[in-house]
Formats: sequence, C-alpha cells, structure tokens
Amino acid sequence: GQQVMQIPQYQHVQEGEDFTTYCNSSTTLSNIQWYKQRPGGHPVFLIQLVKSGEVKKQKRLTFQFGEAKKNSSLHITATQTTDVGTYFCAGWGKETSGSRLTFGEGTQLTVNP
Amino acid sequence: DAGVIQSPRHEVTEMGQEVTLRCKPISGHNSLFWYRQTMMRGLELLIYFNNNVPIDDSGMPEDRFSAKMPNASFSTLKIQPSEPRDSAVYFCASSLRGPWFTIYFGEGSWLTVV
Repeated sequence: GQQVMQIPQYQHVQEGEDFTTYCNSSTTLSNIQWYKQRPGGHPVFLIQLVKSGEVKKQKRLTFQFGEAKKNSSLHITATQTTDVGTYFCAGWGKETSGSRLTFGEGTQLTVNP
Repeated sequence: DAGVIQSPRHEVTEMGQEVTLRCKPISGHNSLFWYRQTMMRGLELLIYFNNNVPIDDSGMPEDRFSAKMPNASFSTLKIQPSEPRDSAVYFCASSLRGPWFTIYFGEGSWLTVV
C-alpha cells in the first residue's frame, strides 16, 4: 500500500536558523497537504499542493511539490519560537481509491530561544 | 464559525468499560473522519463517512470499535469493551466534500484506559 515517509523525525534549531522537513511517497500523489500540530493541540491545515513542481509561500514558509509528484518539502526561514510543533505531510495517491489520505509520521520541531 | 466539536475532551475509564466519543462536524460539511493518534502509530484513519454513509472503515481496528453517523450533524465512535491499548487521542474531522478538500480537525478526545 501507499506509504508516506517524513524526515527528519526530530529537529532542534536555534531561533533564527532555517528548518526543512522532507516528505517522500512510495507512489505518485495526486496532491499533498501539510498540517501543523502544536504540542497538546490538533492538526491544523497549512496548505495543499496539486501541480507538479508547484511552489507556494506563506510568509516564512515555503512549500514545494516535486516534479514527479512523489516528494514534497516544507522550509521555514528564520525560525521563531511560535514555529514549535509537529509538521505532517499527507498524500492522496493517484492509485488510491476511496478515502485513504495517508499521513507521514511527522517532523517534530523544537526552537531554542 | 464553530469548528468541529468533540466530547468528552478527556476520559479515563477502566478496562472493559464502554466508551462513547461524540462529534459534531462543521455545518455544511458532508465528509466526516475519525482518526486515532498515538506515539507509536502516528495518525491513523479509522473510518470515513460521506453524506452520513460509511465509505471506508478499513482502519477500524477490530469489532470492539464501531462508528455511527445518524445525521449530518452528529457522529459517535464507540469502543466496547475498552482495553488499555486503546489509550490514544481520537480526532474527529470534517471537510466540505471528501478528503481531497481541507480537513478540519476537532480538538480531540484524550482517552486513557486503565
């Protein structure tokens, strides 16, 4: 079945440093979504990418969807303490029928002030 | 606008007891999802309803778990009998028309089975 893997599992940075998390799928994706979950909170939708090679920006966050639509990345420039949380990618597979939006394991980001 | 509303927020119960988790999706959303989150297994989709009809329940762990959606504004997830390994955060989520749209999560029900 479809698998979505994220690396790294954990990332510790100093405030002001950049951060990147990578998402890789075992199958071609129709789209990919990114979510952020604060400690003790619930996943909150950040963005959806649909097109091959798509790049979207939200302030300090840059999201990319690979040309082959099998990988994606989230890059945060100049991290702040408010960026702390776990970032999940979730992929909808082209070959997948039904409803199976597969979540990656998440990258847990901690930011030292 | 009100988001996805879940209850109870926290529940501690003894092994063998019945647990019922409740969810009210966002008004106008016709897709509802139940997810379970644990440290070991991450976020797992348990069941997905579309227009109150279960579409995919392949993630439901076993017969002890059941979910219903009697109308567009209410769903339950029941565990009977509960076991310690069921301890997790259970999220209800809804979307406008299926999982390819933005999924809005509730704040979760934190279940501990002792």
